Amino acid sequence: GQSLEQPSEVTAVEGAIVQINCTYQTSGFYGLSWYQQHDGGAPTFLSYNALDGLEETGRFSSFLSRSDSYGYLLLQELQMKDSASYFCAVGFTGGGNKLTFGTGTQLKVEL
Amino acid sequence: DVKVTQSSRYLVKRTGEKVFLECVQDMDHENMFWYRQDPGLGLRLIYFSYDVKMKEKGDIPEGYSVSREKKERFSLILESASTNQTSMYLCASSTPGGIYEQYFGPGTRLTVT
Repeated sequence: GQSLEQPSEVTAVEGAIVQINCTYQTSGFYGLSWYQQHDGGAPTFLSYNALDGLEETGRFSSFLSRSDSYGYLLLQELQMKDSASYFCAVGFTGGGNKLTFGTGTQLKVEL
Repeated sequence: DVKVTQSSRYLVKRTGEKVFLECVQDMDHENMFWYRQDPGLGLRLIYFSYDVKMKEKGDIPEGYSVSREKKERFSLILESASTNQTSMYLCASSTPGGIYEQYFGPGTRLTVT
C-alpha cells in the first residue's frame, strides 16, 4: 500500500519562511502534489512534482527527491492568509486515476 | 474558472435512511472523485469515475455506491446511513491526464443521527 507522513502542525511568524515536509512509501511512485485548504473551504491545488528538484510558483515552492522518497512545500514571506492546512498527495503507477492524500499539516501564522 | 458544485452544504439524516449526495462540474472533465474528510485522517478516496457509467472503488468504498449517468454529474449514495458515516464529503474532478490537479467542490457536511 501507500503511506505518507507529514507533521500535524507547524507554527511560524508573519514574514518568515516555513517548510512542510512529506515522506512517502509507495511502490511505483509517479508524482507528488500539494494542496491548500482553509478552514471551511475546499482544497485547492498548489503544485506538482514528478521529477527531482524545485518548482517555484510565486511565494510557494515545492521540492522532490525521488531517491529519498521525500518532498517539501516551502512558503516564503509568510502572510496571515497562509494559515491553512496543507496536504501532500501521491500518485503511483498501477494506481489508475487516483491520488493518495496525507493527513495534512495545519500551518498557523502568527504576528 | 472550473466550478464544482455540491447539492448541499449541510445535511442531517437519520440512521438507516438512503442518502444521495450530488456533484456537478462544468469543465467537461472525464474524471470525478468522491472523498470523505475526517479530522486527523486527511482525505480518503471512496470512489472515482473516469467516464460515464464507469466507476472504480477507492480506498474506503464499503457502505457507499456511486452513479454517473452524465459526464458532468457524479452521485454518491449511502444505501443505509450509519452514524460512522458522519463526515465531510468532498467531490473533485480532473482531466484524464491531470489527476494531480484536482478541482474540489465546497463539500457537504453530513451528520447521521
